[in-house]
Amino acid sequence: GENVEQHPSTLSVQEGDSAVIKCTYSDSASNYFPWYKQELGKRPQLIIDIRSNVGEKKDQRIAVTLNKTAKHFSLHITETQPEDSAVYFCAARGSSNTGKLIFGQGTTLQVKP
Amino acid sequence: GAGVSQSPSNKVTEKGKDVELRCDPISGHTALYWYRQSLGQGLEFLIYFQGNSAPDKSGLPSDRFSAERTGGSVSTLTIQRTQQEDSAVYLCASSLVGQGNYEQYFGPGTRLTVT
Repeated sequence: GENVEQHPSTLSVQEGDSAVIKCTYSDSASNYFPWYKQELGKRPQLIIDIRSNVGEKKDQRIAVTLNKTAKHFSLHITETQPEDSAVYFCAARGSSNTGKLIFGQGTTLQVKP
Repeated sequence: GAGVSQSPSNKVTEKGKDVELRCDPISGHTALYWYRQSLGQGLEFLIYFQGNSAPDKSGLPSDRFSAERTGGSVSTLTIQRTQQEDSAVYLCASSLVGQGNYEQYFGPGTRLTVT
């Protein structure tokens, strides 16, 4: 079935360093890949997304890259700040017409001041 | 405008009781999704509504789970004869449909605890 694997499960960086989170997906027909940030006790917030016809997208300090051939995509956060500390989830939109998202297991990012 | 809202925010129930969880999507969003998030886990798809119909119920874990949507807006997720393994945060999301709109916006969730 459809599956998304996410690594690492936890990531600790010093403030100002970069953080990279990687995901792989199983359904080659997936065409949309969002990233969500979830702070403790809060709702998941969409921070960036990418579609299958684009290889890279950037928004200020965050960027996402997509390799369709290898079926993997990555989130890059540069110049990390303590407020970036949260759980980050990747997801892939399934190939069915329902648009349901298949989520990775999440990465807990800790940015140390 | 107003985002997705859910109620109650927390629900504690005894094993064997029925519970109803409510979701109010963003006005004008025709697609509505229910997901479940167990402690420390990712989000697990439960059911999808387009308007009032549910073309994809493939994520419902058992026949104790059901959902409905009325007026193309509010949705209710019902869990009958709750079990301890049903304890989780239940999240609702809504989305526009058409013209390549894929973004899903989440509500704050309902934390369900079955004792």
